[in-house]
Amino acid sequence: EIVLTQSPATLSLSPGERATLSCRASQSVSIYLAWYQQKSGQAPRLLIYDASNRATGIPARFSGSGSGTDFTLTISSLEPEDFAVYYCQQRANSYTFGQGTKLEIK
Amino acid sequence: EVQLVESGGGLVQPGGSLRLSCAASGFTFSTFWMHWVRQAPGQGLVWVARMNLDGSNTIYADSVEGRFTISRDNAKNTLYLQMNSLRPEDTALYYCARYGGTSLPGFDIWGQGTMVTVSS
Repeated sequence: EIVLTQSPATLSLSPGERATLSCRASQSVSIYLAWYQQKSGQAPRLLIYDASNRATGIPARFSGSGSGTDFTLTISSLEPEDFAVYYCQQRANSYTFGQGTKLEIK
Repeated sequence: EVQLVESGGGLVQPGGSLRLSCAASGFTFSTFWMHWVRQAPGQGLVWVARMNLDGSNTIYADSVEGRFTISRDNAKNTLYLQMNSLRPEDTALYYCARYGGTSLPGFDIWGQGTMVTVSS
């Protein structure tokens, strides 16, 4: 099983700041990595697929990068609605999620 | 409106069974692979199972292999998850999710989930 490790577990930032979230895979997943946002009490929402492609309707401030084992989700300038939990997920070998990064208001 | 609505959750004793349903609407259900994902209270997302278009190919997480069975009825636009030999650690909110396919390879549509509690 491919294990995805996200860091940091919690990220405390202020609106307007830049957020950088990391996801590391235990073995190469090529570009087959997605990112999701989950707000409290809601279902997850697909943000990024295949490492760097924004899903439909996702604002341009969200961007993804990486390949192989190291991936990054960047939010260029945080809006109040961006504070949530973020998960990475791979589809290279079956499917697994990372444990999540909580993005909280500082 | 594209929508997935789960049902069938509830309280069940350890060793018991439950069948979850996921009703799809607003899109051509038979043309999408479908998945189940669960989330224990306060915890992260865990992928559970996947089914292809006609039900001929299924895969499961190791933790549920041999106990859970995913199925679908394309005529009824419904996905199912039969859960047997339930354990306390199966307690979670169970989501069904649509896989967007080659043009959008991710879980692009999610239901709101149905809660399963395994306890005596």
